[in-house]
Amino acid sequence: KQEVTQIPAALSVPEGENLVLNCSFTDSAIYNLQWFRQDPGKGLTSLLLIQSSQREQTSGRLNASLDKSSGRSTLYIAASQPGDSATYLCAVSGTGANNLFFGTGTRLTVIP
Amino acid sequence: ETGVTQSPTHLIKTRGQQVTLRCSSQSGHNTVSWYQQALGQGPQFIFQYYREEENGRGNFPPRFSGLQFPNYSSELNVNALELDDSALYLCASSLGRQVSTDTQYFGPGTRLTVL
Repeated sequence: KQEVTQIPAALSVPEGENLVLNCSFTDSAIYNLQWFRQDPGKGLTSLLLIQSSQREQTSGRLNASLDKSSGRSTLYIAASQPGDSATYLCAVSGTGANNLFFGTGTRLTVIP
Repeated sequence: ETGVTQSPTHLIKTRGQQVTLRCSSQSGHNTVSWYQQALGQGPQFIFQYYREEENGRGNFPPRFSGLQFPNYSSELNVNALELDDSALYLCASSLGRQVSTDTQYFGPGTRLTVL
């Protein structure tokens, strides 16, 4: 069974700092990996989707990398802003599966 | 805005009652998935419907059931509510059948509290 782990569980940084969030998964047979943002009590917003054949994806200040063979992904956020404060979830889609497997998230706080 | 809506926003029930949660997918999206997210946890897959038929189910008991309608709306029904059913329930819609290739668009969720 696929298990997804995110470290750290919580992170607090001063505004302007660059930061990295980590995600690991146990079964490397995935189709893709997604990073989501979730604001308190709200739904999920997809940030980046990396297909299994890709190594990274970029959107604005966000860059996500994928190393499928080692079962790892990172989300890099450049020049963090208070508006980036949220919980960040990674999720993988497995071969033959109809669903996403989510990690427990990293709660990010960017201090002004 | 993802174009996916859910109702109600919040709901309080007592143990043993039944509840129906609703989701309206983006027009043209044939697949809807439901997830349960307990406090401090990641979402857990409940089941998926594709063109009104169940197309996969997670590790949830039969008292969790669903329906999908031709107008791109769907329901999640939970019978005999238990305290542990308290969670945020999310629905997600996508265009095709394969979650592996299609982006899923999530609704804002329904917060269910069971007392």
